[in-house]
Amino acid sequence: KAGVTQTPRYLIKTRGQQVTLSCSPISGHRSVSWYQQTPGQGLQFLFEYFSETQRNKGNFPGRFSGRQFSNSRSEMNVSTLELGDSALYLCASSPDRPKPNTEAFFGQGTRLTVV
Amino acid sequence: SQQGEEDPQALSIQEGENATMNCSYKTSINNLQWYRQNSGRGLVHLILIRSNEREKHSGRLRVTLDTSKKSSSLLITASRAADTASYFCATDLIMDTGRRALTFGSGTRLQVQP
Repeated sequence: KAGVTQTPRYLIKTRGQQVTLSCSPISGHRSVSWYQQTPGQGLQFLFEYFSETQRNKGNFPGRFSGRQFSNSRSEMNVSTLELGDSALYLCASSPDRPKPNTEAFFGQGTRLTVV
Repeated sequence: SQQGEEDPQALSIQEGENATMNCSYKTSINNLQWYRQNSGRGLVHLILIRSNEREKHSGRLRVTLDTSKKSSSLLITASRAADTASYFCATDLIMDTGRRALTFGSGTRLQVQP
């Protein structure tokens, strides 16, 4: 079974631009969550999608948004990029709504650098 | 905000030695999970321990959970150079939305010297 696939792996953008990152979950998984990892803040939860609906959201500004398609693939978008948005963005998939006692499967991440 | 805090932040040992990492958390949990991350890459799930379990083993890994102290430890026995990575504990924290999300600690960077 193929794992979680994130594209692109690396991205360099300029302040003020917008960016779209993509995540394809494990086949059959319907829940996708996104995380931001920075040296200063560590791993922080961005949002979770299930059945094309955002089910949960972390404490990030509205510049961060996402969506999920009918095939469970998900995209996240960051508008008006700031230098502080430079981070590793990780996507995780789960078979169903994250419930207690289920593990998440992570992709390799997209390394975004804002200059 | 971080739910879990690992200690130590960094650990350097020789191959063959055991490595112990600790995690403390703040609120009640359904389970606690440990993940591993090689430099700049994705996270790999290692082990999940439920709140009603006290100890769990998986190969060279041993995890303990003390819910009264809100703490967990991960022991890697007979370490290998390939175990060099960052290790994170994660718990399911109830967010402001009222829904749970996996929340990670700050991690322990383990260096195993060959």
